[in-house]
Amino acid sequence: AQSVAQPEDQVNVAEGNPLTVKCTYSVSGNPYLFWYVQYPNRGLQFLLKYITGDNLVKGSYGFEAEFNKSQTSFHLKKPSALVSDSALYFCAVRDKSGGGADGLTFGKGTHLIIQP
Amino acid sequence: EAGVAQSPRYKIIEKRQSVAFWCNPISGHATLYWYQQILGQGPKLLIQFQNNGVVDDSQLPKDRFSAERLKGVDSTLKIQPAKLEDSAVYLCASSLSSGRERAQYFGPGTRLLVL
Repeated sequence: AQSVAQPEDQVNVAEGNPLTVKCTYSVSGNPYLFWYVQYPNRGLQFLLKYITGDNLVKGSYGFEAEFNKSQTSFHLKKPSALVSDSALYFCAVRDKSGGGADGLTFGKGTHLIIQP
Repeated sequence: EAGVAQSPRYKIIEKRQSVAFWCNPISGHATLYWYQQILGQGPKLLIQFQNNGVVDDSQLPKDRFSAERLKGVDSTLKIQPAKLEDSAVYLCASSLSSGRERAQYFGPGTRLLVL
């Protein structure tokens, strides 16, 4: 079985400072990893994904994420936070192996609050 | 390109009543998913369709939940009878195909409150 842990319910960052939202995962094989963002009363928006290759993945809105296989982590980062980045962030994983069933397994989410 | 459409956006019902949710995926997307998101938790997959066939419904409570995707485009998720614990946001997502590297694109969700 696959699982995702987001150890922080909430992360508070001052505007202009770098931000990190943590994610660790567990799969039986090699993972595909995803980050999504959810704004109030809206669905999840895709930010970025790790498939293979370079461990640093760049995505939308200036976000990036670093894949670390030895630590089974996929932390979301941004060099300079904006107030508009305040939202609920979800990490998700999918095992590379298996058949056609490819639903994502999500973490419980981390509230990111950027303070002016 | 239009996104995933869902309706209604909000629904309030009493327990033991029935309810149905509708989803229209992004045009051309063969794979469609229904997720349940309970407050304070991440989305949980209920069912996955590839065209009009079910690929995975292992987490669907089949005694009360049903879903169909006639003609391989729109989909309907039904709950009958509803329980208090079904209060959640029901998210529909689609992807171009079932390739495991592909991202899924989500609709705005239907917020269900069961009283």
